[in-house]
Amino acid sequence: LAKTTQPISMDSYEGQEVNITCSHNNIATNDYITWYQQFPSQGPRFIIQGYKTKVTNEVASLFIPADRKSSTLSLPRVSLSDTAVYYCLVARWDGGSQGNLIFGKGTKLSVKP
Amino acid sequence: NAGVMQNPRHLVRRRGQEARLRCSPMKGHSHVYWYRQLPEEGLKFMVYLQKENIIDESGMPKERFSAEFPKEGPSILRIQQVVRGDSAAYFCASSPPRISGNTIYFGEGSWLTVV
Repeated sequence: LAKTTQPISMDSYEGQEVNITCSHNNIATNDYITWYQQFPSQGPRFIIQGYKTKVTNEVASLFIPADRKSSTLSLPRVSLSDTAVYYCLVARWDGGSQGNLIFGKGTKLSVKP
Repeated sequence: NAGVMQNPRHLVRRRGQEARLRCSPMKGHSHVYWYRQLPEEGLKFMVYLQKENIIDESGMPKERFSAEFPKEGPSILRIQQVVRGDSAAYFCASSPPRISGNTIYFGEGSWLTVV
């Protein structure tokens, strides 16, 4: 499973756009990139998943360059409630080791008023 | 998240007792996963189960820990003779059968405190 590297923490202010970049140099052809959000005392919540280029949903956008060795989670106009830990994961979804996701320590995003 | 149900949310056990954590997957999901999270740490994979079958238990401690997902009823993570180091949050997740690009959905967790 590809190892990921992301900043330990980030600070932002309400209304700003936040971009969290994750490095995954050893990503394999069958790997997808998935981001989860976790609030204190809660389970991780799926945010977005992508394979290449750009994916957008109602919560965030995910940018993946052509070489797929990194990805950037973009949160538009953050609010205080976006303060959480954000995990970047890379895993295969071809029936092999699915479910054995490797969570790092994530990026602790603090949004200030 | 709301679809994966875990109970109890909080459990206190004395050293040496047994802890049983239950997980009901989301409707339509037949695959269950258990993760453990220590304070200030990321989640660590423990085990992956389908109905009546353990698929991957590479993250389970060799002793005192067991998991099952019976044909009927919830998945259960069982910890025998608990020790203080077992104090952690235990998260269950579920997914439908493997299809390329699937993700897994987590429950709210069960917090085990060993005193």
